Amino acid sequence: GNSVTQMEGPVTLSEEAFLTINCTYTATGYPSLFWYVQYPGEGLQLLLKATKADDKGSNKGFEATYRKETTSFHLEKGSVQVSDSAVYFCALQQLSGGYNKLIFGAGTRLAVHP
Amino acid sequence: EPEVTQTPSHQVTQMGQEVILRCVPISNHLYFYWYRQILGQKVEFLVSFYNNEISEKSEIFDDQFSVERPDGSNFTLKIRSTKLEDSAMYFCASRGDRGTNTEAFFGQGTRLTVV
Repeated sequence: GNSVTQMEGPVTLSEEAFLTINCTYTATGYPSLFWYVQYPGEGLQLLLKATKADDKGSNKGFEATYRKETTSFHLEKGSVQVSDSAVYFCALQQLSGGYNKLIFGAGTRLAVHP
Repeated sequence: EPEVTQTPSHQVTQMGQEVILRCVPISNHLYFYWYRQILGQKVEFLVSFYNNEISEKSEIFDDQFSVERPDGSNFTLKIRSTKLEDSAMYFCASRGDRGTNTEAFFGQGTRLTVV
């Protein structure tokens, strides 16, 4: 079945460091891929998305490129801030017999220190 | 900006009691979902709902669970007889269409604690 695998956390970085959170997926066909973020005490917010191979999603300085050949959608940011501390979820969405439920990875907790 | 609203934000209930979690999806959306997140674990799909009926449900969504859209705005998740293992954050989500390119919008969640 479809699945998403994320690197385990927590990831601890100093402010202005470079961030990579790895995400790989298993799916038949051509899913859309998403990164959601969950700030402390809050719900899930869409961070960025990509809907086809080689698309790059970007938002708030974060980027991720849909790589079909490696089935990956790694999240990157060139310079993290303390306010980026949150849990990041990679997810895929694919048309199935149902109505496009999201399948999430386990989440990666990011802690950024001043 | 339109948003999905969930109430209550936190519910504590005794084991065996019934609970109803409430959601108001974005007004012109047609596809509704419940997900849950047990503390420290991944977000899991429970059920999808369209045109006043369940379109898909996971194995978690057993006979103790039900969903309903009682009027034009609310979407509820009922757990008939809560168990300790139902303690989790429950997220409601809605989408405007079923295309794979369309993202789901999530509410802030209801933290359910079963004691």
